[in-house]
Amino acid sequence: AQSVTQLDSQVPVFEEAPVELRCNYSSSVSVYLFWYVQYPNQGLQLLLKYLSGSTLVKGINGFEAEFNKSQTSFHLRKPSVHISDTAEYFCAVIFNFGNEKLTFGTGTRLTIIP
Amino acid sequence: DAGVTQSPTHLIKTRGQQVTLRCSPKSGHDTVSWYQQALGQGPQFIFQYYEEEERQRGNFPDRFSGHQFPNYSSELNVNALLLGDSALYLCASSLEAAGGTEAFFGQGTRLTVV
Repeated sequence: AQSVTQLDSQVPVFEEAPVELRCNYSSSVSVYLFWYVQYPNQGLQLLLKYLSGSTLVKGINGFEAEFNKSQTSFHLRKPSVHISDTAEYFCAVIFNFGNEKLTFGTGTRLTIIP
Repeated sequence: DAGVTQSPTHLIKTRGQQVTLRCSPKSGHDTVSWYQQALGQGPQFIFQYYEEEERQRGNFPDRFSGHQFPNYSSELNVNALLLGDSALYLCASSLEAAGGTEAFFGQGTRLTVV
């Protein structure tokens, strides 16, 4: 079955420290990959996406993610986090091209410790 | 440029009642998708509308129905509400010609069933 796994439900990180949020998916065919951020009581905002090409993708707010086909992973990273990065982060996948349905992981709550 | 707008923002209904949620897509977008996000979970795909037709559907019962109007706006209807229908309902719009690879989300409607 096609699924998206975010193993870390919560990640506490000190301010200005680096962070990595993990995302793995199950599929043997090509996929489109996305990271969304959700601030409290708000909708989802697209951070970055991988469709094809370079496996290192840069997004907004200093985030980047690397696509690893052999490990079916798309981990999100930021070299130095800020208090304003406190939010819920969702990894999402389009498994079937031409089918715009997003399949989301369960989310990772990033908490920044001052 | 207004993004995706949803109304109402909050709603409280009683079990067994019916509810209608509304969504206006981002200007220029022609495809609308609806997602249900239960507390502490990632969004789950309900269905998608394009050219006023339901194009695909997730694993939701027939109590969930929708409509898309000629101006691309959309409604989500839920009949015979259950306590388990309490969730944040998110609308996302995208452009079919772009392959739907950049979905813009609204702020959501928080539905509470009591």
